[in-house]
Amino acid sequence: AQSVTQLDSHVSVSEGTPVLLRCNYSSSYSPSLFWYVQHPNKGLQLLLKYTSAATLVKGINGFEAEFKKSETSFHLTKPSAHMSDAAEYFCVVTRGYNKLIFGAGTRLAVHP
Amino acid sequence: EPEVTQTPSHQVTQMGQEVILRCVPISNHLYFYWYRQILGQKVEFLVSFYNNEISEKSEIFDDQFSVERPDGSNFTLKIRSTKLEDSAMYFCASSEAGTGSSYNSPLHFGNGTRLTVT
Repeated sequence: AQSVTQLDSHVSVSEGTPVLLRCNYSSSYSPSLFWYVQHPNKGLQLLLKYTSAATLVKGINGFEAEFKKSETSFHLTKPSAHMSDAAEYFCVVTRGYNKLIFGAGTRLAVHP
Repeated sequence: EPEVTQTPSHQVTQMGQEVILRCVPISNHLYFYWYRQILGQKVEFLVSFYNNEISEKSEIFDDQFSVERPDGSNFTLKIRSTKLEDSAMYFCASSEAGTGSSYNSPLHFGNGTRLTVT
């Protein structure tokens, strides 16, 4: 069955430093993977999606993620954190045709 | 950019009452979904809806829940006889195609309705 594990519940970085949010997936077939972000009192916004066309996926706001089949990972990165990046981030895998399975989320804090 | 809109943003109800959560999906989308997030827990799938019928539902989505697309624009979630444990943020979402399709269609989520059952 498809599932995702987000390895860190909280990540704290300083503004201007790199961000790494880790996600491992489990899937019996080639998965569809996404990262969503949730700012306080807001809905879930799509950051990026893995389409199998390229292993390095670029998303909005300078984020990108690399699909590594050998490591079953889909880590989210950003070279330089901004204060506005503070939010909760969800790694998501599809199960079947119509269902998303969410990870537990990683709360990113960005300090001045 | 088109958005999924949900109303109300907050709903407080008494245990045993019925509530209807409303959603307006993006107009050219064909697949509709409800997810919920109990405070401090994961976002959970409830139901998907396509071609005027439920295409998949989770074990959470029992007889207490129902969905409906009463007209060409709205998509509603009805919860009958609410319980304390139904308190959660409920998210509506829509997509152009199925999430597992080769098109890899992402879901677009609304801002959610926070339901509090007292």
